[in-house]
Formats: sequence, C-alpha cells, structure tokens
Amino acid sequence: EPEVTQTPSHQVTQMGQEVILRCVPISNHLYFYWYRQILGQKVEFLVSFYNNEISEKSEIFDDQFSVERPDGSNFTLKIRSTKLEDSAMYFCAGANAYEQYFGPGTRLTVT
Amino acid sequence: DAKTTQPNSMESNEEEPVHLPCNHSTISGTDYIHWYRQLPSQGPEYVIHGLTSNVNNRMASLAIAEDRKSSTLILHRATLRDAAVYYCMVQYAGNMLTFGGGTRLMVKP
Repeated sequence: EPEVTQTPSHQVTQMGQEVILRCVPISNHLYFYWYRQILGQKVEFLVSFYNNEISEKSEIFDDQFSVERPDGSNFTLKIRSTKLEDSAMYFCAGANAYEQYFGPGTRLTVT
Repeated sequence: DAKTTQPNSMESNEEEPVHLPCNHSTISGTDYIHWYRQLPSQGPEYVIHGLTSNVNNRMASLAIAEDRKSSTLILHRATLRDAAVYYCMVQYAGNMLTFGGGTRLMVKP
C-alpha cells in the first residue's frame, strides 16, 4: 500500500536558522497539506496546496513559511528564520478529495 | 467552520464494541463527516467519512443521524491497537481539516 514519507524524522536547529522539511506524498494525490502539532496540543492546519498554488492558509502560516512542489513528487515546507515556538511535529498530508493520508511527521526542535 | 463536540475520553474492554459519539449541530448541507484517529507518536490516520447514509469499511462503521446533527463511530470489536485519540470533523471535500480535542479511547485487556 502506498504511503506518505517525510524526511528527516527529527531536525534540530538553532533559532534564526532556515529549515526545509520534505514530504513525498502518494503519487496520484492532488491536494497537499501541512499541519503541525506542538507537544501535548491539538493538530493545527498550516497550509493547503492545489494545482501548484496555495489554496488556503492559516494565521500561523506567516511570511516566515513557504511551500513548494518543485518536481511533481516532493512537497516541501520551508521556515526561513526559526523561532523557539516553531518546535513541533510537522505532518504533511495528501488527498484526492475526501481521505487525507498523513505522513509520520518530522519533529522539529529549535534551540 | 462547523464545530464538533466529543467526550474527552472513553473506556472500553477488549473484544467489545465501542460507540464514539459526536455532535455537529451546525453542519451545513455540503459538509462531510470525517473521522480520523491518532495513535501514540504517529500522524493522524483516516478512519471513515460519510455524508448522509451510514457507511461501513474495514476499520469501522459510521452511523449518521437523520438530521445529520450527530454521528457515531462504531468499532465492532475493540483491540488494544485501537487505543488512540479519535477526531470527528465536518469539512467540505478537499478543504483542510480542523482538529478539536477528540476522544481519547482507552482499551482494557
């Protein structure tokens, strides 16, 4: 069964550094999403991506965040200048319409 | 976005059926009812979705009230591996999911 993969599984970075989180969604999916989950809190939506452009974004997704689907397979989330409060699990997901398939997540730790 | 209300936690015995309720009284006519779960230290996992009719799949059944203001996720025989947080959400197809607190299901051997 196809699955969503995410790399790295754990990323440690210093405050102010740029990070890129990578995701390979299931190949026939059309909609793509990034969510995050701060430890002990609920899953929060960041951004959705369809037809090579952002379709929706939350208040969390400010100018420090960007997404890209550079080659038709990878889906990346970039944080330009990380802050301590960006420490969280980041999940990508893909869907055709109704069912979103989530990756295992990347744990981002900002020190 | 339509809001949902779920109990914070529920307990079940292994091998017994579990009924997880959800209220979504402000659901609109085009919203689908989705259920996802999150096992410890894992990403959310799709369980089932429906619009008006009851739905069955290999994981669970979804019973939807006639007025669509509530629904129940049914696990027919709970196993220890079903211990997770179960999220009920109402969204239009393709839109982002809005996670609430969910119901933490504990399964006792």
